[in-house]
Amino acid sequence: DGGITQSPKYLFRKEGQNVTLSCEQNLNHDAMYWYRQDPGQGLRLIYYSQIVNDFQKGDIAEGYSVSREKKESFPLTVTSAQKNPTAFYLCASMTIRQGSIDSNQPQHFGDGTRLSIL
Amino acid sequence: AQKITQTQPGMFVQEKEAVTLDCTYDTSDPSYGLFWYKQPSSGEMIFLIYQGSYDQQNATEGRYSLNFQKARKSANLVISASQLGDSAMYFCAMREGPNAGNMLTFGGGTRLMVKP
Repeated sequence: DGGITQSPKYLFRKEGQNVTLSCEQNLNHDAMYWYRQDPGQGLRLIYYSQIVNDFQKGDIAEGYSVSREKKESFPLTVTSAQKNPTAFYLCASMTIRQGSIDSNQPQHFGDGTRLSIL
Repeated sequence: AQKITQTQPGMFVQEKEAVTLDCTYDTSDPSYGLFWYKQPSSGEMIFLIYQGSYDQQNATEGRYSLNFQKARKSANLVISASQLGDSAMYFCAMREGPNAGNMLTFGGGTRLMVKP
């Protein structure tokens, strides 16, 4: 089945450690996104990528890094510089309809990764 | 200023009744889209319904409909005939411009609880 796969479902980070969250999609979507969700709050954009080998910072990129070497994959690294990494991380993807004034394409989401500090 | 505001942190509704979840937005862009997502306790985000700024009619998808009032910048979600499975967090989100990275800005969400 086509979809977005995030792994692992749960992840624990030690102090000073970098951890990488995986996001893979087989929907042939052009754009991919990473969001952070804190308890009881909405989603905030970390990074996004509209094309392979290119990505842009979102609203809360500090302490995070990404890569987009393949269309299907958009891993997120939470670095030791991110002092409060405990949160729920959601990956999303969507197709881009070029030339459309009013694209109605929604973003499709994975099931998320819960990251906690040990 | 908040771009998307959901003023109801939590709401109760009796099973089989209708409920309206509020969403107001702020943008100066004439081209934008509004989305509603449902997030059950398991965490996944489920797309429900979309309304474009140029759409002349309110969007409907099964039991979901949008009460879109462009002049008031509101896009309230109406759920008819509530079911126990509708209990979840609901998020309103906006995409501005035709190619602004296709990014979504989310509101803080409303927790809906359906009473049997």
